[in-house]
Amino acid sequence: DARVTQTPRHKVTEMGQEVTMRCQPILGHNTVFWYRQTMMQGLELLAYFRNRAPLDDSGMPKDRFSAEMPDATLATLKIQPSEPRDSAVYFCASGSEQGASGYTFGSGTRLTVV
Amino acid sequence: GQNIDQPTEMTATEGAIVQINCTYQTSGFNGLFWYQQHAGEAPTFLSYNVLDGLEEKGRFSSFLSRSKGYSYLLLKELQMKDSASYLCAVRVSGGSYIPTFGRGTSLIVHP
Repeated sequence: DARVTQTPRHKVTEMGQEVTMRCQPILGHNTVFWYRQTMMQGLELLAYFRNRAPLDDSGMPKDRFSAEMPDATLATLKIQPSEPRDSAVYFCASGSEQGASGYTFGSGTRLTVV
Repeated sequence: GQNIDQPTEMTATEGAIVQINCTYQTSGFNGLFWYQQHAGEAPTFLSYNVLDGLEEKGRFSSFLSRSKGYSYLLLKELQMKDSASYLCAVRVSGGSYIPTFGRGTSLIVHP
């Protein structure tokens, strides 16, 4: 089965440090999402790419978060500087533009900022 | 934005049938997804409805009424492994196709 690969699976870092999360979408998928999941807020959209172009990052705190897709095989999400409130599970998902077959989620990066 | 409501928690007995409801308020509706998420794992796709009616996939079925802003996920012959969170997500049209997720329904299946 094709998979969305995310690294790292777990990350513990100190407040103020930079965090980079990576995602390899499924080959052929032209739509990539970054979501954040917490107990309090559920799944929240952070960024959305179509054909590598960023189309929506309205859910992302722009002062510290940035999302890029340097090529079709890599999407990155960076937090600089990180804060304890950023502790969450970050999921990447990919799919076709119409999404009728659903979007495939990666295993997520569990981030803890202390 | 979208307002998506699901019950927070449901319990059911192994072998039984359970229906998980999702109501939404949105403009420019462009499809509804159901996902299953086991604790500590990623959401996995179950179903997609864009037209009214029932879609059946094995033990799972999903129903949509666009006029009522209502969907349900029906799980038959419940198994212990069906204990999970079930997420309803609504997508709107308008240039982007972004699913917005509800908070999810935690289903507990007991013997």
